[in-house]
Amino acid sequence: GQSLEQPSEVTAVEGAIVQINCTYQTSGFYGLSWYQQHDGGAPTFLSYNALDGLEETGRFSSFLSRSDSYGYLLLQELQMKDSASYFCAVRAQNTGFQKLVFGTGTRLLVSP
Amino acid sequence: DGGITQSPKYLFRKEGQNVTLSCEQNLNHDAMYWYRQDPGQGLRLIYYSQIVNDFQKGDIAEGYSVSREKKESFPLTVTSAQKNPTAFYLCASSFERTPYANEKLFFGSGTQLSVL
Repeated sequence: GQSLEQPSEVTAVEGAIVQINCTYQTSGFYGLSWYQQHDGGAPTFLSYNALDGLEETGRFSSFLSRSDSYGYLLLQELQMKDSASYFCAVRAQNTGFQKLVFGTGTRLLVSP
Repeated sequence: DGGITQSPKYLFRKEGQNVTLSCEQNLNHDAMYWYRQDPGQGLRLIYYSQIVNDFQKGDIAEGYSVSREKKESFPLTVTSAQKNPTAFYLCASSFERTPYANEKLFFGSGTQLSVL
């Protein structure tokens, strides 16, 4: 089976930098994804890491270490609109079809 | 505009009743999924479908049923056998062109199901 661990809540102020960690246990690992979800809304895709290292997309970056089964999402220059829940997800093989398994989410609260 | 549409936004179920949640996509995606989200929790997979006329159980399929008669549509029925149906239900779709590609999920805006 698969399991993911991430902190339940993180708080920060506008303009700051915050890191949301994710550790995972899975068989047949293919990659780590991050999704953002505002309250009552649909999750939206942020990033995907299949190889070790840092991927940067604007203010957001995502890191993966396959040997440590660990990744993180880095949010820079925080804005109030970044207040949302952030989910890591592993794409693990199951009988030849890859399905996403999600963590329980980290709620990010950005204050003025 | 291409996208994935769920309806209704809010749904109420009486005890012993079956209810059906609609999910339609015009993205030409092969794969479709249903996830359940409870307050403060992650998304748990109910059912998924790789192609038309085929679907597989996810991690929490008991009390649910699906059909995939058309590529665009993947309705979910919450049966009376599901004793705790109150949750936020999310439908998603993706391309599944190769086993190793990163095919991100596109989500609908969800249906909140509550029990009367």
